[in-house]
Amino acid sequence: QKEVEQDPGPLSVPEGAIVSLNCTYSNSAFQYFMWYRQYSRKGPELLMYTYSSGNKEDGRFTAQVDKSSKYISLFIRDSQPSDSATYLCAMRRQGNLIFGKGTKLSVKP
Amino acid sequence: SQTIHQWPATLVQPVGSPLSLECTVEGTSNPNLYWYRQAAGRGLQLLFYSVGIGQISSEVPQNLSASRPQDRQFILSSKKLLLSDSGFYLCAWSPHSGSPYNEQFFGPGTRLTVL
Repeated sequence: QKEVEQDPGPLSVPEGAIVSLNCTYSNSAFQYFMWYRQYSRKGPELLMYTYSSGNKEDGRFTAQVDKSSKYISLFIRDSQPSDSATYLCAMRRQGNLIFGKGTKLSVKP
Repeated sequence: SQTIHQWPATLVQPVGSPLSLECTVEGTSNPNLYWYRQAAGRGLQLLFYSVGIGQISSEVPQNLSASRPQDRQFILSSKKLLLSDSGFYLCAWSPHSGSPYNEQFFGPGTRLTVL
């Protein structure tokens, strides 16, 4: 079983839709979780990070962690074509980060 | 504010040729530095990381090497490129201490094609 699993998609939604992106993990020692956004042919940029179980909101983005289920989610409200990108989850293991493979999202106008 | 630079942005090299990719960070001191390779369908693969000048840790055995000659400079090298070295190479940095997240900040990347 891989340490971090993420559905690669692609995921295509209409503009204005609510998007749900998810990752599961197997190591219960993971405590710090992050989401990165990567536009085509660019480096990933840090979008959100969260520690505890529950929700963290930042504008149209909400990060959710369920440690009991080893499941993290990123919700995007009122999705825009500019949200079209690949989204990678990441979690800290010792001194480094473990990344999911990324979910490619396309928001159609 | 901190910025991270990588060059070149794009590179096409023949098999067997040498490689040198450079990464520099501005606006911070003593950062942790990382080299990743991103191949289609394989996600981000950590190649090397460094916690200080001359200190390099390798995550996977391969045809590549890394060096850190200065505090904010990280170089990825190869003596002889293989076809399998093609990919998108990303440099990243993180603060040396302070944040428990160890959040990493990425450069713009170098797209390497080996023919």
